Amino acid sequence: EDKVVQSPLSLVVHEGDTVTLNCSYEVTNFRSLLWYKQEKKAPTFLFMLTSSGIEKKSGRLSSILDKKELFSILNITATQTGDSAVYLCAVKRAQKLVFGQGTRLTINP
Amino acid sequence: DTAVSQTPKYLVTQMGNDKSIKCEQNLGHDTMYWYKQDSKKFLKIMFSYNNKELIINETVPNRFSPKSPDKAHLNLHINSLELGDSAVYFCASSLSTGTGVLNEQFFGPGTRLTVL
Repeated sequence: EDKVVQSPLSLVVHEGDTVTLNCSYEVTNFRSLLWYKQEKKAPTFLFMLTSSGIEKKSGRLSSILDKKELFSILNITATQTGDSAVYLCAVKRAQKLVFGQGTRLTINP
Repeated sequence: DTAVSQTPKYLVTQMGNDKSIKCEQNLGHDTMYWYKQDSKKFLKIMFSYNNKELIINETVPNRFSPKSPDKAHLNLHINSLELGDSAVYFCASSLSTGTGVLNEQFFGPGTRLTVL
């Protein structure tokens, strides 16, 4: 059965800290891995990774995929209170997304 | 605004009732989805339509019936609502390429369904 596992489930840090969120997967017919940020409502797209070892970067956020070891990490540097959210990892398998359970990140001022 | 929109945002109803949730996207996408997010925030796909054709139908009770009148709309009808149906239901859309690899999915704001 397809599985996407995120860790930690919950993380509380202080503003300015750097955090690393993990996502490991066991999925057949892997196409790509996506990261989403979910605040109060809809998940919003952050990154899509298809190639191993190539870092995607957007401001203070960056992500990398390791297709050999079947995992991805999402890094957030110099965290701000606005980064507080649930971060969802999803793997594209054939024509659907399989989601992990999310990491709830709380940034304290 | 270009977006995925859902109505209603909140739905509170009694057990046994029948209800519908509507979804529309004006992004020009050809594939639409329904997801259920439970209290633990786990997002699980329920259905997917590509150009009005059902392509994904996960293990969902047949009380749930999706309907796609055109590729910009995907509605979800639920019969005989049960307590366990309480969740947030998200609609999403994406554009499929010729190779069948789907681009990223854009999500609607969600419909919080509470069954009493």
